[in-house]
Amino acid sequence: QQPVQSPQAVILREGEDAVINCSSSKALYSVHWYRQKHGEAPVFLMILLKGGEQKGHEKISASFNEKKQQSSLYLTASQLSYSGTYFCGTVSGSARQLTFGSGTQLTVLP
Amino acid sequence: DGGITQSPKYLFRKEGQNVTLSCEQNLNHDAMYWYRQDPGQGLRLIYYSQIVNDFQKGDIAEGYSVSREKKESFPLTVTSAQKNPTAFYLCASSTTGGMNTEAFFGQGTRLTVV
Repeated sequence: QQPVQSPQAVILREGEDAVINCSSSKALYSVHWYRQKHGEAPVFLMILLKGGEQKGHEKISASFNEKKQQSSLYLTASQLSYSGTYFCGTVSGSARQLTFGSGTQLTVLP
Repeated sequence: DGGITQSPKYLFRKEGQNVTLSCEQNLNHDAMYWYRQDPGQGLRLIYYSQIVNDFQKGDIAEGYSVSREKKESFPLTVTSAQKNPTAFYLCASSTTGGMNTEAFFGQGTRLTVV
């Protein structure tokens, strides 16, 4: 079952902040965040693990509420390069499959 | 350079024909995945494999088949049973089953049925 993302789309001006949410009905081991530019492969942003550990390599932060099975991605002082579709992926259960949400299209305007 | 390679980038198929999409990785990853992406849609899991000679169905496996005879290769066959195969197909791999490591994606294959 796919995680649910919100909002579906967001438009903001350069320098503004945005929050993208992801929720699941299953107990999660980890939450992944990726960004995809049109026609390209998704690029890894961050992974949040059960227990609080985070792994990422961009200036983007995220949270993971294990009790509520929810995660949020925080984009602060957005740049034009932040435009794209953001996907959250979740890993749950013994199957260890990585399942993605339907995506949030983010557009940053100058 | 290490990475994951999909081929071909564009593929055209006539209705009723089977077609195989290639996915190769030299990252020494155990887990590999196939996703389907339709315009404006998310990534839907077709099949995944955590180890050689073993694979599991994802959410939309009907009309597709895979094999995992080698660690580095995970080809996807789109059969004539797939009613609407036109889509963008992405292959990914990770060191484990995706629990605590990032997935690396190939550049995708855009399949069009003509």
